[in-house]
Amino acid sequence: EAQVTQNPRYLITVTGKKLTVTCSQNMNHEYMSWYRQDPGLGLRQIYYSMNVEVTDKGDVPEGYKVSRKEKRNFPLILESPSPNQTSLYFCASSDGGLAVYEQYFGPGTRLTVT
Amino acid sequence: AQSVAQPEDQVNVAEGNPLTVKCTYSVSGNPYLFWYVQYPNRGLQFLLKYITGDNLVKGSYGFEAEFNKSQTSFHLKKPSALVSDSALYFCAVRDKGSGGSYIPTFGRGTSLIVHP
Repeated sequence: EAQVTQNPRYLITVTGKKLTVTCSQNMNHEYMSWYRQDPGLGLRQIYYSMNVEVTDKGDVPEGYKVSRKEKRNFPLILESPSPNQTSLYFCASSDGGLAVYEQYFGPGTRLTVT
Repeated sequence: AQSVAQPEDQVNVAEGNPLTVKCTYSVSGNPYLFWYVQYPNRGLQFLLKYITGDNLVKGSYGFEAEFNKSQTSFHLKKPSALVSDSALYFCAVRDKGSGGSYIPTFGRGTSLIVHP
């Protein structure tokens, strides 16, 4: 089954404690991205990657890091989480070219930073 | 710069009636336009897109959207709503002229509630 998986689905942590949210896709997609969803703000892109070792900032990259060492994986790293990073996070993937915006989304990770 | 607006936080419609979820956009060039749907506790699912060509675009689950360049709109429509269509709908845009950037801008979302 074609899918994007994220782990963990729920995470409660404390300010400053480094964490990683994993994302994996099994569709051999070139493009992967991370979004955060906040009430009243819709989705905002954090980072995206066009291929292995190619990453770029989205609209709200501050406080986040990513890496793309393998085509299927695109982890999101919060090295020193803060309460304003409490949010619902989605990973997404898609083919390149004009299909790049036909994104497949993961189920989401709800993060709470206290 | 690119932006998208969904002027209604919530749309209520009776089952069997036609539905419209509104979206307007702003880009400096020509737009790529998209609609996604989010069911409760799920990720977003792609519904349809406008890239070029026919202004009426048909997508999944019987939805369609009409690109109107003069009104800078891309409203989502369905002739007969189902209770199962109740979900959160997102419009998104990317300016074709934004070069190597692949950052779409999403609207804030419209909650569609279909009453039995």
